[in-house]
Amino acid sequence: AQSVTQLGSHVSVSEGALVLLRCNYSSSVPPYLFWYVQYPNQGLQLLLKYTSAATLVKGINGFEAEFKKSETSFHLTKPSAHMSDAAEYFCAVNPYGGATNKLIFGTGTLLAVQP
Amino acid sequence: EAGVAQSPRYKIIEKRQSVAFWCNPISGHATLYWYQQILGQGPKLLIQFQNNGVVDDSQLPKDRFSAERLKGVDSTLKIQPAKLEDSAVYLCASSDNRGSYNEQFFGPGTRLTVL
Repeated sequence: AQSVTQLGSHVSVSEGALVLLRCNYSSSVPPYLFWYVQYPNQGLQLLLKYTSAATLVKGINGFEAEFKKSETSFHLTKPSAHMSDAAEYFCAVNPYGGATNKLIFGTGTLLAVQP
Repeated sequence: EAGVAQSPRYKIIEKRQSVAFWCNPISGHATLYWYQQILGQGPKLLIQFQNNGVVDDSQLPKDRFSAERLKGVDSTLKIQPAKLEDSAVYLCASSDNRGSYNEQFFGPGTRLTVL
C-alpha cells in the first residue's frame, strides 16, 4: 500500500541552524510528492511539490526538497532557520502519478526554533 | 482571490449530539474535499466531490457521517450521533480541474471537541 513516513514527530533547531525534516514514501508508480506547512489554528499551505520534473525542488520561504528515487525519500531542508519557521510540516504523496488528486499525508513533524 | 471559508471555527458538543460544518470553496473550484485531522496525525480524506457528485467516500464512516454539495458550490459535513473519537479538526479543501494534477487549497478548519 502507498504510504508516507515522517521520521521524528518533533524537531528542535536553533535560529540560524540547518533545518532537515525527513520523509520517505512508498508508491508503485512514480509519485507526486508535496510538503505542506500548518501554522497554529490555520489550514495547510503548500510549501513545494515534485511532479516528475527537476529532482531538486525549491519552494516558498527558502525551503527546498530533493527527490531521491533510489532512497524513496523527499527530505525538506532550509539552510538557516528563522523563528517564523516554527510550525508543523506534513509530507504528502499522490501515489497515482497525478492521475487523481488524492493525497496521503504523513503524521507530521513539529518544528521548534530556539532563539 | 478569497480562500476556502469554513464555519464554525470551533465547536464543543456532548457525545451522541449532532453537529454540522460548512465549507465554501474558492470560486470556480469544481472539486471539494473534506479531511479529518486527529491530534498527532496527518489529515485523512473523508470525502471528495466533483461538482455535486461524490468521487471518493471510501473512508467516510457512513453510519454517522454524511456530506452534501447540492448545488456544486458550498458543502456541509454532518456527524450524527457524535462519538468521543470524532474529536478532531475537520479541514475543507478545494481545487480546480484545469490540469492533470490540481493543487488543493485548504481552509482554516473546524476544531470539534466531543465531551
